[in-house]
Amino acid sequence: KQEVTQIPAALSVPEGENLVLNCSFTDSAIYNLQWFRQDPGKGLTSLLLIQSSQREQTSGRLNASLDKSSGRSTLYIAASQPGDSATYLCAVRPVYNNDMRFGAGTRLTVKP
Amino acid sequence: DTGVSQDPRHKITKRGQNVTFRCDPISEHNRLYWYRQTLGQGPEFLTYFQNEAQLEKSRLLSDRFSAERPKGSFSTLEIQRTEQGDSAMYLCASSLKRGPVYPYNEQFFGPGTRLTVL
Repeated sequence: KQEVTQIPAALSVPEGENLVLNCSFTDSAIYNLQWFRQDPGKGLTSLLLIQSSQREQTSGRLNASLDKSSGRSTLYIAASQPGDSATYLCAVRPVYNNDMRFGAGTRLTVKP
Repeated sequence: DTGVSQDPRHKITKRGQNVTFRCDPISEHNRLYWYRQTLGQGPEFLTYFQNEAQLEKSRLLSDRFSAERPKGSFSTLEIQRTEQGDSAMYLCASSLKRGPVYPYNEQFFGPGTRLTVL
């Protein structure tokens, strides 16, 4: 059974700092991995999707990497801003079905 | 707005009542997913449709839950005889599966329906 873990559970940083969020998964038989942002009481906003054959994806200040063999992904946020404050979730989709498994998220606070 | 929409956004009901939620996916998307999210946790997969066919159901989807997508467009999720443990955010997502040449299948989520069972 696929287990997805995100560390840390919460992170507080001053504005302008670069930061890394971690996601690990137990079963490397994944189809893709997706990073989402969730604001309190809201739905999920897709940030980046990495196919299993890819190593990384970039969008603006965000860079996500994938090391499938070690079961790890990182989300790098450059020059953090208060508007980046949210919960960041990673999710993996297995190759054999559509049961996408989510981590519990990292709650990020960027202080002005 | 061409994103995924859900209705209602909030629902408060008494234990034992039936509730129904609606999801309208992005118009050209052929796949539709339902998830449940409780406080402090990530979403949990419930079920998914490709067009009008319900192809997968999680063990979380007890016999009190039923989902439909009759014409391959909008979907409904009904919960019968609600229990306090059903209180959660119910999220809908959609994606476009073009075929093996275009594998990305990125999921886009709606704002969710927050259910409170008293």
